[in-house]
Amino acid sequence: DQQVKQNSPSLSVQEGRISILNCDYTNSMFDYFLWYKKYPAEGPTFLISISSIKDKNEDGRFTVFLNKSAKHLSLHIVPSQPGDSAVYFCAASVGSWGKLQFGAGTQVVVTP
Amino acid sequence: DTAVSQTPKYLVTQMGNDKSIKCEQNLGHDTMYWYKQDSKKFLKIMFSYNNKELIINETVPNRFSPKSPDKAHLNLHINSLELGDSAVYFCASSQFHSGHYGYTFGSGTRLTVV
Repeated sequence: DQQVKQNSPSLSVQEGRISILNCDYTNSMFDYFLWYKKYPAEGPTFLISISSIKDKNEDGRFTVFLNKSAKHLSLHIVPSQPGDSAVYFCAASVGSWGKLQFGAGTQVVVTP
Repeated sequence: DTAVSQTPKYLVTQMGNDKSIKCEQNLGHDTMYWYKQDSKKFLKIMFSYNNKELIINETVPNRFSPKSPDKAHLNLHINSLELGDSAVYFCASSQFHSGHYGYTFGSGTRLTVV
């Protein structure tokens, strides 16, 4: 009963181009969504979040878009940099401190 | 000055053994968590403690027992280890009402049961 799905296990993008990571969810009660970034041998670190009252949140090179009717969110990274190579996890919760449900992650590789 | 530290980083043990993973945070957070990342890479919550009180207890086998001696520590003890327990276990902490952007994860403990 995986409620948060990231269907692309990996993504390769050239440096300077846009990276688009997708995430789908099934639980309509989710109202808080987050992206975490994880480097090898480290724990995930918080990247950006969005609540269901918004459809876009931007922080520097990172923008998260939320489409509630489609139960879909995406993370845009522009321009992509080599340091962005990592695994990105989508997560969702009911309330801003409810139990987090994570997707399986998308491995991003930024090539020179 | 590590914020959330877990020990050991790697643990290889035989089936049937009992083992513990320790977690400590120096952030002054009041809530701590254990997550399991399985072979399919999903991160799933196992337990959560707020001020030493258990507040989330997901459906995990009774062989897993968390212990929180104080709000800076949350240890995970596993009895009678099985092959399926092999995974990466992450500890995390947060200040309960700060929301998930306040989550800080440890670097993980890779448990291999042979």
